Amino acid sequence: GEDVEQSLFLSVREGDSSVINCTYTDSSSTYLYWYKQEPGAGLQLLTYIFSNMDMKQDQRLTVLLNKKDKHLSLRIADTQTGDSAIYFCAESIPGANNLFFGTGTRLTVIP
Amino acid sequence: SQTIHQWPATLVQPVGSPLSLECTVEGTSNPNLYWYRQAAGRGLQLLFYSVGIGQISSEVPQNLSASRPQDRQFILSSKKLLLSDSGFYLCAWSGAGLGLQFFGPGTRLTVL
Repeated sequence: GEDVEQSLFLSVREGDSSVINCTYTDSSSTYLYWYKQEPGAGLQLLTYIFSNMDMKQDQRLTVLLNKKDKHLSLRIADTQTGDSAIYFCAESIPGANNLFFGTGTRLTVIP
Repeated sequence: SQTIHQWPATLVQPVGSPLSLECTVEGTSNPNLYWYRQAAGRGLQLLFYSVGIGQISSEVPQNLSASRPQDRQFILSSKKLLLSDSGFYLCAWSGAGLGLQFFGPGTRLTVL
Protein backbone atom coordinates (compact mmCIF):
# COMPACT_ATOMS: atom_id res chain seq x y z
CA GLY A 1 0.00 0.00 0.00
CA GLU A 2 0.92 3.65 -0.04
CA ASP A 3 3.15 5.06 2.67
CA VAL A 4 1.72 7.98 4.63
CA GLU A 5 3.74 9.06 7.63
CA GLN A 6 3.11 11.34 10.59
CA SER A 7 4.87 12.01 13.84
CA LEU A 8 3.05 10.34 16.70
CA PHE A 9 2.83 13.10 19.30
CA LEU A 10 2.61 16.88 19.52
CA SER A 11 2.11 19.06 22.61
CA VAL A 12 1.30 22.76 22.52
CA ARG A 13 0.13 25.36 24.99
CA GLU A 14 -3.39 26.71 24.79
CA GLY A 15 -3.49 29.76 22.55
CA ASP A 16 -0.40 28.79 20.55
CA SER A 17 -0.48 27.51 16.99
CA SER A 18 -0.19 23.79 16.26
CA VAL A 19 1.40 22.42 13.12
CA ILE A 20 0.85 18.77 12.29
CA ASN A 21 2.92 17.36 9.47
CA CYS A 22 2.42 14.49 7.06
CA THR A 23 4.48 13.03 4.24
CA TYR A 24 3.29 10.71 1.53
CA THR A 25 4.95 8.78 -1.25
CA ASP A 26 2.50 8.63 -4.15
CA SER A 27 2.84 11.67 -6.38
CA SER A 28 -0.41 10.84 -8.19
CA SER A 29 -2.53 11.76 -5.17
CA THR A 30 -5.72 13.52 -6.19
CA TYR A 31 -6.97 14.72 -2.82
CA LEU A 32 -5.45 14.92 0.62
CA TYR A 33 -7.51 14.98 3.78
CA TRP A 34 -7.29 15.75 7.46
CA TYR A 35 -9.45 13.88 9.94
CA LYS A 36 -9.86 14.40 13.69
CA GLN A 37 -10.57 11.59 16.14
CA GLU A 38 -11.64 12.42 19.68
CA PRO A 39 -11.29 9.72 22.37
CA GLY A 40 -13.58 6.76 21.79
CA ALA A 41 -15.16 8.30 18.71
CA GLY A 42 -15.07 7.86 14.98
CA LEU A 43 -13.16 10.06 12.55
CA GLN A 44 -14.47 13.49 11.71
CA LEU A 45 -13.50 15.01 8.37
CA LEU A 46 -11.92 18.40 9.07
CA THR A 47 -10.83 19.56 5.66
CA TYR A 48 -9.37 18.42 2.37
CA ILE A 49 -7.29 19.90 -0.41
CA PHE A 50 -7.08 19.14 -4.08
CA SER A 51 -3.60 18.16 -5.20
CA ASN A 52 -3.21 21.14 -7.55
CA MET A 53 -3.69 23.61 -4.70
CA ASP A 54 -0.96 24.95 -2.43
CA MET A 55 -3.04 26.21 0.43
CA LYS A 56 -6.53 26.13 1.84
CA GLN A 57 -7.79 28.11 4.80
CA ASP A 58 -10.93 27.44 6.78
CA GLN A 59 -11.37 29.55 9.92
CA ARG A 60 -8.63 28.44 12.34
CA LEU A 61 -7.37 25.71 10.03
CA THR A 62 -4.76 26.20 7.32
CA VAL A 63 -3.67 23.36 5.07
CA LEU A 64 -0.40 23.67 3.18
CA LEU A 65 0.58 21.29 0.42
CA ASN A 66 4.08 21.01 -1.03
CA LYS A 67 3.56 18.60 -3.85
CA LYS A 68 7.21 18.61 -4.88
CA ASP A 69 8.26 17.38 -1.44
CA LYS A 70 5.05 15.35 -0.93
CA HIS A 71 4.49 17.18 2.33
CA LEU A 72 1.15 18.16 3.83
CA SER A 73 0.62 20.18 6.98
CA LEU A 74 -2.30 21.28 9.11
CA ARG A 75 -1.96 24.46 11.12
CA ILE A 76 -4.43 25.15 13.90
CA ALA A 77 -4.39 28.76 15.05
CA ASP A 78 -5.18 29.70 18.66
CA THR A 79 -5.24 26.07 19.74
CA GLN A 80 -7.86 25.24 22.35
CA THR A 81 -8.17 22.34 24.80
CA GLY A 82 -11.03 21.03 22.68
CA ASP A 83 -8.55 20.54 19.85
CA SER A 84 -6.85 17.74 21.81
CA ALA A 85 -7.36 14.64 19.66
CA ILE A 86 -5.65 12.38 17.16
CA TYR A 87 -5.28 13.89 13.70
CA PHE A 88 -5.00 11.66 10.64
CA CYS A 89 -3.89 12.68 7.20
CA ALA A 90 -5.05 10.60 4.28
CA GLU A 91 -4.66 10.57 0.52
CA SER A 92 -6.69 9.30 -2.37
CA ILE A 93 -5.02 8.04 -5.50
CA PRO A 94 -6.49 7.27 -8.92
CA GLY A 95 -7.80 3.76 -9.32
CA ALA A 96 -8.02 3.03 -5.61
CA ASN A 97 -11.38 2.81 -3.87
CA ASN A 98 -10.03 3.46 -0.42
CA LEU A 99 -8.08 6.22 1.26
CA PHE A 100 -4.59 5.67 2.63
CA PHE A 101 -4.20 6.88 6.16
CA GLY A 102 -1.23 7.92 8.23
CA THR A 103 -0.74 6.54 11.71
CA GLY A 104 -2.18 9.66 13.32
CA THR A 105 -0.67 12.44 15.45
CA ARG A 106 -1.89 12.77 19.01
CA LEU A 107 -2.22 16.48 19.79
CA THR A 108 -2.21 17.41 23.47
CA VAL A 109 -3.13 20.97 24.39
CA ILE A 110 -1.75 22.11 27.72
CA PRO A 111 -3.93 24.67 29.55
CA SER B 1 -28.55 14.72 5.40
CA GLN B 2 -26.55 11.53 5.53
CA THR B 3 -25.92 9.63 8.74
CA ILE B 4 -24.05 6.46 9.48
CA HIS B 5 -24.77 4.15 12.40
CA GLN B 6 -22.81 1.34 13.96
CA TRP B 7 -23.79 -1.12 16.63
CA PRO B 8 -23.07 -2.27 19.11
CA ALA B 9 -20.93 0.55 20.51
CA THR B 10 -18.92 -1.82 22.69
CA LEU B 11 -18.62 -5.57 22.77
CA VAL B 12 -16.74 -8.03 24.95
CA GLN B 13 -16.51 -11.53 23.53
CA PRO B 14 -14.63 -14.71 24.48
CA VAL B 15 -12.04 -16.23 22.17
CA GLY B 16 -13.67 -18.62 19.71
CA SER B 17 -17.09 -16.98 19.78
CA PRO B 18 -18.77 -15.56 16.64
CA LEU B 19 -19.01 -11.90 15.76
CA SER B 20 -21.47 -9.72 13.92
CA LEU B 21 -21.05 -5.96 13.67
CA GLU B 22 -23.54 -3.91 11.74
CA CYS B 23 -23.27 -0.63 9.89
CA THR B 24 -26.09 1.23 8.18
CA VAL B 25 -26.15 4.45 6.21
CA GLU B 26 -29.11 6.79 5.78
CA GLY B 27 -29.75 9.60 3.38
CA THR B 28 -27.79 8.34 0.38
CA SER B 29 -28.01 5.55 -2.14
CA ASN B 30 -25.41 3.26 -3.65
CA PRO B 31 -22.61 4.35 -1.35
CA ASN B 32 -19.18 2.78 -1.23
CA LEU B 33 -18.83 1.16 2.18
CA TYR B 34 -15.71 0.37 4.16
CA TRP B 35 -14.65 -1.51 7.29
CA TYR B 36 -11.49 -0.38 9.05
CA ARG B 37 -9.79 -1.62 12.18
CA GLN B 38 -7.81 0.60 14.48
CA ALA B 39 -5.58 -1.27 16.91
CA ALA B 40 -4.55 0.50 20.10
CA GLY B 41 -2.08 3.30 19.36
CA ARG B 42 -2.01 2.54 15.67
CA GLY B 43 -3.47 3.89 12.46
CA LEU B 44 -6.34 2.60 10.41
CA GLN B 45 -6.16 -0.68 8.56
CA LEU B 46 -8.64 -1.17 5.73
CA LEU B 47 -10.30 -4.58 6.05
CA PHE B 48 -13.04 -4.62 3.41
CA TYR B 49 -14.77 -2.32 1.00
CA SER B 50 -17.87 -2.68 -1.10
CA VAL B 51 -19.03 -0.78 -4.18
CA GLY B 52 -22.45 -2.44 -4.33
CA ILE B 53 -24.78 -5.12 -2.98
CA GLY B 54 -22.99 -8.45 -2.75
CA GLN B 55 -19.68 -6.96 -3.94
CA ILE B 56 -16.97 -7.27 -1.31
CA SER B 57 -13.26 -6.72 -1.68
CA SER B 58 -10.94 -7.99 1.02
CA GLU B 59 -7.73 -6.16 1.72
CA VAL B 60 -6.22 -8.37 4.39
CA PRO B 61 -6.46 -12.18 4.71
CA GLN B 62 -7.79 -13.05 8.15
CA ASN B 63 -10.63 -14.77 9.95
CA LEU B 64 -13.05 -11.92 9.33
CA SER B 65 -15.59 -11.62 6.54
CA ALA B 66 -17.96 -8.94 5.33
CA SER B 67 -21.32 -8.95 3.63
CA ARG B 68 -23.58 -6.36 2.08
CA PRO B 69 -27.09 -7.77 1.99
CA GLN B 70 -28.73 -4.40 1.27
CA ASP B 71 -27.60 -1.21 -0.41
CA ARG B 72 -26.99 0.67 2.82
CA GLN B 73 -26.10 -2.17 5.16
CA PHE B 74 -22.61 -3.55 5.74
CA ILE B 75 -21.89 -6.37 8.15
CA LEU B 76 -18.58 -7.55 9.57
CA SER B 77 -18.51 -11.14 10.81
CA SER B 78 -16.33 -13.83 12.22
CA LYS B 79 -17.04 -17.48 12.96
CA LYS B 80 -14.37 -17.71 15.67
CA LEU B 81 -12.76 -14.66 17.25
CA LEU B 82 -9.06 -14.48 18.07
CA LEU B 83 -7.41 -12.36 20.74
CA SER B 84 -5.78 -10.35 17.96
CA ASP B 85 -9.22 -9.31 16.70
CA SER B 86 -9.54 -6.86 19.58
CA GLY B 87 -9.66 -3.26 18.40
CA PHE B 88 -11.81 -0.37 17.36
CA TYR B 89 -13.84 -1.12 14.23
CA LEU B 90 -14.91 1.76 12.07
CA CYS B 91 -17.37 1.75 9.23
CA ALA B 92 -17.25 4.48 6.61
CA TRP B 93 -19.11 5.47 3.46
CA SER B 94 -18.30 7.56 0.46
CA GLY B 95 -20.16 8.78 -2.57
CA ALA B 96 -18.91 9.58 -6.03
CA GLY B 97 -16.59 12.49 -6.73
CA LEU B 98 -14.20 13.79 -4.14
CA GLY B 99 -13.66 10.45 -2.42
CA LEU B 100 -14.58 11.95 0.93
CA GLN B 101 -15.15 9.24 3.47
CA PHE B 102 -17.48 9.73 6.41
CA PHE B 103 -17.07 7.57 9.45
CA GLY B 104 -19.44 6.00 11.93
CA PRO B 105 -18.95 6.21 15.69
CA GLY B 106 -17.11 2.88 15.84
CA THR B 107 -17.40 -0.35 17.82
CA ARG B 108 -14.92 -1.16 20.56
CA LEU B 109 -14.34 -4.95 20.49
CA THR B 110 -12.48 -6.69 23.30
CA VAL B 111 -11.75 -10.38 22.90
CA LEU B 112 -10.86 -12.13 26.16
